Amino acid sequence: QVQLVQSGAEEKKPGASVKVSCKASGYTFIDYYIHWVRQAPGQGLEWMGRINSNSGGRDYVQKFHGRITMTRDTSISTAYMELSSLRYDDTAVYYCARETNTWLDYWGQGTLVTVSS
Amino acid sequence: DIQMTQSPSPLSASVGDRVTINCRASQTISTSLNWYQQKPGKAPKLLIYAASSLQSGVPSRFGGSGSGTDFALTISSLQPEDFATYYCQHSYSHPLSFGGGTKVEVK
Repeated sequence: QVQLVQSGAEEKKPGASVKVSCKASGYTFIDYYIHWVRQAPGQGLEWMGRINSNSGGRDYVQKFHGRITMTRDTSISTAYMELSSLRYDDTAVYYCARETNTWLDYWGQGTLVTVSS
Repeated sequence: DIQMTQSPSPLSASVGDRVTINCRASQTISTSLNWYQQKPGKAPKLLIYAASSLQSGVPSRFGGSGSGTDFALTISSLQPEDFATYYCQHSYSHPLSFGGGTKVEVK
């Protein structure tokens, strides 16, 4: 069965960086894009961008340009999202999700990133 | 960028009710519209894709309709496990975006 398993919760100080992993299983990793979506406490869903798991090509939301890097390691079927220069309002649950055609059909369990001094 | 607006929020309903959640796009998106359900502490779950196609394993009481700018998610007979927050999301162009969510709560 398709599974996306994310790395554990992180607590970071303002200005630091965080790298969240998303390990895929149950399907051919390079055949699907991986998207990243975040959700601040009590808020809605915010799309951050996606990576082509085959080519490595990326699309980022403009507001994160310069701070976000999405990568993948095809040898271990894992996608990564790194966010730098963390601010208090980056505190959120970060989700990875698989794209099938244009919809997000499988999601990771989420990774809580807390930015606190 | 395309903005997605949901209504109502919240929505108060009882078990057995027919429930409709609306979603409007700021420009035409054809049928590039998906619906997700999210329960507290859990990841979103895909319910409907391409405006009206039911995701495998999702109960048939869920239905989607619409095209262009106006869309709806209907639950034909609300069940206890359906109390949750629902999000629409367009996939017409980048950047993708979600509606603000509709919380379906007990009346």
